[in-house]
Amino acid sequence: DAGVIQSPRHEVTEMGQEVTLRCKPISGHDYLFWYRQTMMRGLELLIYFNNNVPIDDSGMPEDRFSAKMPNASFSTLKIQPSEPRDSAVYFCASIQEGSGYTFGSGTRLTVV
Amino acid sequence: AQSVTQLGSHVSVSEGALVLLRCNYSSSVPPYLFWYVQYPNQGLQLLLKYTTGATLVKGINGFEAEFKKSETSFHLTKPSAHMSDAAEYFCAVSDSTAGNKLTFGGGTRVLVKP
Repeated sequence: DAGVIQSPRHEVTEMGQEVTLRCKPISGHDYLFWYRQTMMRGLELLIYFNNNVPIDDSGMPEDRFSAKMPNASFSTLKIQPSEPRDSAVYFCASIQEGSGYTFGSGTRLTVV
Repeated sequence: AQSVTQLGSHVSVSEGALVLLRCNYSSSVPPYLFWYVQYPNQGLQLLLKYTTGATLVKGINGFEAEFKKSETSFHLTKPSAHMSDAAEYFCAVSDSTAGNKLTFGGGTRVLVKP
């Protein structure tokens, strides 16, 4: 198994631009989580899905953030418009009920 | 609501010395507890986890942790530090009633001195 795959690994964009982060979970895992990591706030849960349905998006900071999971093998996190304070590492993780989390390698986003 | 507190954002140990990372948690339900390690520019890797049963849990790379309910603690130890243990370590608690979402502590960065 290739694990949780995130793309891109690095993204540099200008303020105001739309950014889309992508995640492919492990096949068979029925939960998918998006986390954000910053020096100031540590690891924060943004949103999670169960069987492709968003369950809890209370961690999404603003309406500029949106996430979708159109099928069991793909999820996106979109920021529109992006701002410098969105600069962070964004992690995707998947889990099967009763097992542990597997994290992707993350996307390092820099908004200039 | 759940929360995790890691005492000490930075720990410095000598190679061969004991590594002790402290973690205290708060949970309204029986907790599942985890320790993760993050190497520079990488994702989080599971070191060990406690769900039920034996309270002393052994993980990878010689690490172990003990769940102490009375102290609401889950401290991580390794008897002898190795240079390769230099990384950031995160304690986390899982809410089994909410999709097993993890709440992380602030992390402890470990520096190993030769």
